[in-house]
Amino acid sequence: GAGVSQTPSNKVTEKGKYVELRCDPISGHTALYWYRQSLGQGPEFLIYFQGTGAADDSGLPNDRFFAVRPEGSVSTLKIQRTERGDSAVYLCASSAARGSYNEQFFGPGTRLTVL
Amino acid sequence: QKEVEQNSGPLSVPEGAIASLNCTYSDRGSQSFFWYRQYSGKSPELIMSIYSNGDKEDGRFTAQLNKASQYVSLLIRDSQPSDSATYLCAVKPGANNLFFGTGTRLTVIP
Repeated sequence: GAGVSQTPSNKVTEKGKYVELRCDPISGHTALYWYRQSLGQGPEFLIYFQGTGAADDSGLPNDRFFAVRPEGSVSTLKIQRTERGDSAVYLCASSAARGSYNEQFFGPGTRLTVL
Repeated sequence: QKEVEQNSGPLSVPEGAIASLNCTYSDRGSQSFFWYRQYSGKSPELIMSIYSNGDKEDGRFTAQLNKASQYVSLLIRDSQPSDSATYLCAVKPGANNLFFGTGTRLTVIP
């Protein structure tokens, strides 16, 4: 079946602009996660959705970052007033349900470059 | 503080040898552990998960977990050049997000 998809694959923007990154999870997966990966680092957790609600947003770095999942499927990560330090690969993952034993599967990522 | 430590490498092994990748974690309450493979410019791909102490084998891959020592490892037998990648250790202390190490870069030399 289809895996996690993310669009766009690459996004180049200027400092101060607003960007939206989209994630379409594996069909039927109720849990959705956003991570951010900088060069040479492992992915860092940003936010987790169970259904439509953000169950854990403790990883969002500041209030410029926001994410939604209005219908419990597709999610959008929104970044306001982008800064050069926001440049990274933004990864989305989904799993069949919450819980310790549920495996997370990653999408291809969106590479964000803030000039 | 939840930390996952890996040797960043690079680790080089000859083709056909066993590659051994190691990971330690700080949260003693962690319940599930994962190994992801990440090729350059690609996203992480899940290759192994382990939840109980001991060994778990899947093809050429064996994951080993020792919760008392807070240690998890990945063995790759009969290493192939196509195994050359960065291997990420991930730990799930609770029910939600993963905590990742920085990854170990493996090079298999033909």
